[in-house]
Amino acid sequence: NAGVTQTPKFRILKIGQSMTLQCAQDMNHNYMYWYRQDPGMGLKLIYYSVGAGITDKGEVPNGYNVSRSTTEDFPLRLELAAPSQTSVYFCASTGHNQPQHFGDGTRLSIL
Amino acid sequence: AQKITQTQPGMFVQEKEAVTLDCTYDTSDQSYGLFWYKQPSSGEMIFLIYQGSYDEQNATEGRYSLNFQKARKSANLVISASQLGDSAMYFCAMRELRGDSSYKLIFGSGTRLLVRP
Repeated sequence: NAGVTQTPKFRILKIGQSMTLQCAQDMNHNYMYWYRQDPGMGLKLIYYSVGAGITDKGEVPNGYNVSRSTTEDFPLRLELAAPSQTSVYFCASTGHNQPQHFGDGTRLSIL
Repeated sequence: AQKITQTQPGMFVQEKEAVTLDCTYDTSDQSYGLFWYKQPSSGEMIFLIYQGSYDEQNATEGRYSLNFQKARKSANLVISASQLGDSAMYFCAMRELRGDSSYKLIFGSGTRLLVRP
């Protein structure tokens, strides 16, 4: 049972570089989410999607972009990496009236 | 705006004893859900228990129970018979319901629980 798969698990970027964090789910969930977790803190919502072709901003969307071309995939794009984006990123998905299923996270450091 | 508050940054409990982790929330919605997640040192988020605002009974899942007091807007997690493997961060979260029935989770800042042998 794959569930929610995030890649990569770890990444170090230089300031100004760009990258895409991948997220895929095999549970046919309509709803997908990206969170970031800073050290010692709870999770904050970056972007979410209620279905293919539909995305919306969460609490902290600045510096990020998303797309949802298929039900399964919900990539998160960082265009110009900044040190403030050093964090652990979690992708999650859910069906109707279910708890969110989380991926194992991507630990991103920007130096 | 909806808000989740966890006032205990850290807690200790003796192995085999029970422990209560506090969570209070603020919402003007009538329909909402409350969740508890466990995050061990390995980092993954593990769903523990869920309580709906209209549920009449307090939720239970094995050694986990949720002490839901709607009038006080609290949803405390009770872990009975603590085990060493219960040492982790615990997050309370609230479901914010959108019109299309999707939901965003709002998380508290977490409580770190350490179980002493």
